[in-house]
This record gives sequence, C-alpha cells and structure tokens, in this order.
Amino acid sequence: NAGVMQNPRHLVRRRGQEARLRCSPMKGHSHVYWYRQLPEEGLKFMVYLQKENIIDESGMPKERFSAEFPKEGPSILRIQQVVRGDSAAYFCASSPPTAGGINEQFFGPGTRLTVL
Amino acid sequence: AQSVAQPEDQVNVAEGNPLTVKCTYSVSGNPYLFWYVQYPNRGLQFLLKYITGDNLVKGSYGFEAEFNKSQTSFHLKKPSALVSDSALYFCAVRDSSWGKFQFGAGTQVVVTP
Repeated sequence: NAGVMQNPRHLVRRRGQEARLRCSPMKGHSHVYWYRQLPEEGLKFMVYLQKENIIDESGMPKERFSAEFPKEGPSILRIQQVVRGDSAAYFCASSPPTAGGINEQFFGPGTRLTVL
Repeated sequence: AQSVAQPEDQVNVAEGNPLTVKCTYSVSGNPYLFWYVQYPNRGLQFLLKYITGDNLVKGSYGFEAEFNKSQTSFHLKKPSALVSDSALYFCAVRDSSWGKFQFGAGTQVVVTP
C-alpha cells in the first residue's frame, strides 16, 4: 500500500507565476489536509478537505491560495501570483473516513517551493 | 481555542541515556494528543497517540508518552536513546473528533555517540 504521494518534490517559480502542488492520499483515505512549514518553524494548518468538499479552510490565506479535492484524481493546492514569502515546504496528510475522526494523519514527503 | 507548547527548541542527550521531550497543551474539551517525528527533508512520521484509557501510551521505535491531565502535559520518552533518534519531534493536539491538528513548534533532538 503506497503512502501519501506528493509531486513535485521540488518546485521553483518566479514571482508572479502559479504553483500547483498535488497530493494523492493513501488508498482508502478520503480526508486530506494541507500544511505549510516555514524554515525553523512548525507546521501550520491550511485546509481540510473531503472528496469534493472543503471542510475547514481557516488556515488558508484569503487571497491567491485555493485547494480542491475532486471526486477523481489528486488533491490540488494552487498558489497564484507567488511571492517570495510563499517559499516553504508544503505537506499533505490523509486519514481514513472512519467515524470519530481520532485517527492519526499520514504525511507525504512534502513539496518544497522556492520562489525566485 | 487549542494550543500546544514545546518549551525546548533542542534537547541534547548522550546515546544510551534516557530521552524526554516535553509538551504541554490547552484545549477546551477532551484532548486528543499525538507525537510525530520528522527526519531531514522528509514528511512527518506518526509515533503514538493518546485518545483515552491508560495514561502511559507506547508507540513506535521504543517511544512512549505519559498523559498527565492535571499538568496538561504529554511528554515523550525513551529509556535509552540511539544516535538514529536524532530528528525533529512534533507534539500535536486536537480538541474534538473532527478538529484540525494544532502542532507545536518542534523540538530538535540531538543524540551524541
């Protein structure tokens, strides 16, 4: 059973370009979470999605950032018009849809975004 | 609101000695507590969790953690540290079944031979 997959692992963009980060959850997992990790800092929650629904986006910047988890295919975190401050590691995590929500999250290897 | 604190940026320990990584939390309801480890340029790996039941929780790689409700703490412990335990450790809390994780800032563990 493959783990959480993220691609690309490294992404370089110039200021003003768009960045698309992809996440394929573990097989059977329908809950996806995105986190951002800045250098020397912990993980900051961004958004929690289930298939075709955004459950909690309280950690997402109001502008330029969006996320989706379509019925088919990976979850996408999209950053429009990137700025240097967007440079960070972006981690995706998934968990199974069992009742109670007390399951641990399984993390992908991350995408390291560098904005030049 | 929920929060979690890891008061030590770094913990240094000699190989073979006991290792403790501290974590305190604040939640409005019953806490769900987790420990993760991150190796360089890798994602987070789950170590253990406390949901309910015994206050002493055993996890992966010989780690355990003790839940202390009165002190609102969930310290991670290992009786005998290995050099390979050198990594970044994160404590996380969730205050409801469907609440998002709140991560601590992380504690860098350095185990010297």
